Amino acid sequence: DAGVIQSPRHEVTEMGQEVTLRCKPISGHNSLFWYRQTMMRGLELLIYFNNNVPIDDSGMPEDRFSAKMPNASFSTLKIQPSEPRDSAVYFCASSSGLGETQYFGPGTRLLVL
Amino acid sequence: GENVEQHPSTLSVQEGDSAVIKCTYSDSASNYFPWYKQELGKRPQLIIDIRSNVGEKKDQRIAVTLNKTAKHFSLHITETQPEDSAVYFCAASTGTYKYIFGTGTRLKVLA
Repeated sequence: DAGVIQSPRHEVTEMGQEVTLRCKPISGHNSLFWYRQTMMRGLELLIYFNNNVPIDDSGMPEDRFSAKMPNASFSTLKIQPSEPRDSAVYFCASSSGLGETQYFGPGTRLLVL
Repeated sequence: GENVEQHPSTLSVQEGDSAVIKCTYSDSASNYFPWYKQELGKRPQLIIDIRSNVGEKKDQRIAVTLNKTAKHFSLHITETQPEDSAVYFCAASTGTYKYIFGTGTRLKVLA
């Protein structure tokens, strides 16, 4: 089992640029989560997809953030335009259903200068 | 609102000693309680979990206990080793998609 795959692992960009983070969930998992982790705020759930459909995006900080899941094996989180306060580690996680264990990807460490 | 309190925020123990981390949750409908270990620069990894129909679960040196009446659950690590040094997160879920995470405990095992 390859686990959850994320790319890129590190991203350094300048303020105002568009950033796209990618995630491939574990095969067979139908739930996908995007989290953001910072020292100040800990782990925050940004958005949750079930069967490729966004169910809860109440954690998305503002309109600069958007997420898509065009198929069961791929999701993107986009920030446009990026700001220095977006600097964080972004994790994707997947699970096999409601109430089941969430498995995290390796994360993308984003630095916005 | 839903909340999970985790204590202590930092914990230092001598190698070979035991470590205990405690979490208290607010939503009485919570029925699933995972624990994650996160090493520096790595992903959170599930180390043990417990569901509300059991009071205790053990896996080698790691155990979790659950007290539903008091709404708290604890992680116990025995015979600690330097590789146990990490940040540990508890979480509570009502069986839906949402995990409420604790704020983390930084465990340092001193050799």
